[in-house]
Amino acid sequence: AQRVTQPEKLLSVFKGAPVELKCNYSYSGSPELFWYVQYSRQRLQLLLRHISRESIKGFTADLNKGETSFHLKKPFAQEEDSAMYYCAPPSGNTPLVFGKGTRLSVIA
Amino acid sequence: GAVVSQHPSWVICKSGTSVKIECRSLDFQATTMFWYRQFPKQSLMLMATSNEGSKATYEQGVEKDKFLINHASLTLSTLTVTSAHPEDSSFYICSARTSGTARNTEAFFGQGTRLTVV
Repeated sequence: AQRVTQPEKLLSVFKGAPVELKCNYSYSGSPELFWYVQYSRQRLQLLLRHISRESIKGFTADLNKGETSFHLKKPFAQEEDSAMYYCAPPSGNTPLVFGKGTRLSVIA
Repeated sequence: GAVVSQHPSWVICKSGTSVKIECRSLDFQATTMFWYRQFPKQSLMLMATSNEGSKATYEQGVEKDKFLINHASLTLSTLTVTSAHPEDSSFYICSARTSGTARNTEAFFGQGTRLTVV
């Protein structure tokens, strides 16, 4: 089964500090991973996807096949980055099953 | 991106009554929609897969007679919480993708419905 793991339930960092939200995957085949974000009182939305190799809101995520990881990084955290973050596997028309997610809290 | 709309955004109902939540894909057709439940400060828990024109597929532990799902058209799925009880109070979220979705296509989410049963 396609599965991802986010080992940290809560991550607190100071404003301006670097952020790394960890995600490890444990399935074979071509991994096509996503990061979704849920800001307070807003709907869940896509932050970025691995195949497009884009940078959204200063966040990047690189697929490391050797470490089977897809960590989300940002060099300088902002208060508005405080949210719930979910690493997600590809799913097509099958259900997207979320892991526990990581709550990022950026302290001023 | 595509838009998924839920209605209502919040609802308060009395114990024993039923509540219907609508999920619409506004600018695309969705043969499949998904319903989730989210408790405060927790992740989304998949409840069921709603299939247009056929029965929904429920996850283990989710009572199908309690949470009735109807997907009568390519743009509308409804979740009815029957005989609601206070423990059914939660945040319900629907999700959809465009039809013929490839593995690397993102999911679109509704804004959620907060149900409070008193």
